[in-house]
Amino acid sequence: EVQLVESGGGLVKPGGSLRLSCAASGFTFSTYSINWVRQAPGKGLEWVISSTTNYIYEAESLKGRFTISRDNAKNLVFLQMNSLRAEDTAVYYCARENGPNWNYGFDLWGLGTLVTVSS
Amino acid sequence: SYVLTQPPSVSVAPGTTARLTCGGNKIAIKSVHWYQQMPGQAPVLVIYYDSDRPSGIPERFSGSNSGNTATLTISRVEAGDEADYYCQVWDGDTDHWVFGGGTKLTVL
Repeated sequence: EVQLVESGGGLVKPGGSLRLSCAASGFTFSTYSINWVRQAPGKGLEWVISSTTNYIYEAESLKGRFTISRDNAKNLVFLQMNSLRAEDTAVYYCARENGPNWNYGFDLWGLGTLVTVSS
Repeated sequence: SYVLTQPPSVSVAPGTTARLTCGGNKIAIKSVHWYQQMPGQAPVLVIYYDSDRPSGIPERFSGSNSGNTATLTISRVEAGDEADYYCQVWDGDTDHWVFGGGTKLTVL
């Protein structure tokens, strides 16, 4: 089955760190760009960071606190989140980009994992 | 940074046509993608590259893009279409994906 499954969410204190994982199955993982998108409670979608086959793009608002990495051999993408703040509280989705040149959108999404930053 | 503007809400009667807009500066030169998000669920791509439909998306969903406005049109609206809809583009100037604020579609 073609799917993405996120894990690693939970409760973390302000200033803490968390690593999210996204496990892919059912497709040739290494040839796709994978993105992280988050959604704060009751709010809209916010793009976080992307890992393409050659580049990494990240939202400027993160100010370098988040990094993305991938293990193509294990079909995994990781989101390392440091210096977490209350405003980082959100459901974090990983999403597959269905083609090159930003023309195809995100055609496959995981169910999301909730990150709560609170003391 | 590039901004996409969507009306917060649109209401239509069942069986009529819903037109959801997404405004952006010269958006016509960008590829616009649209997502449907039901409460408590992950987003689903319903239109990509302005007007293409992924497999499994009903023909009732269509898209257009011209000037400063992209439009998602839902024909013969059903109660099951009630959801939040988001537009998205790639901003090549900043190398960022940008989402609109979303429109809540209510079927009266």
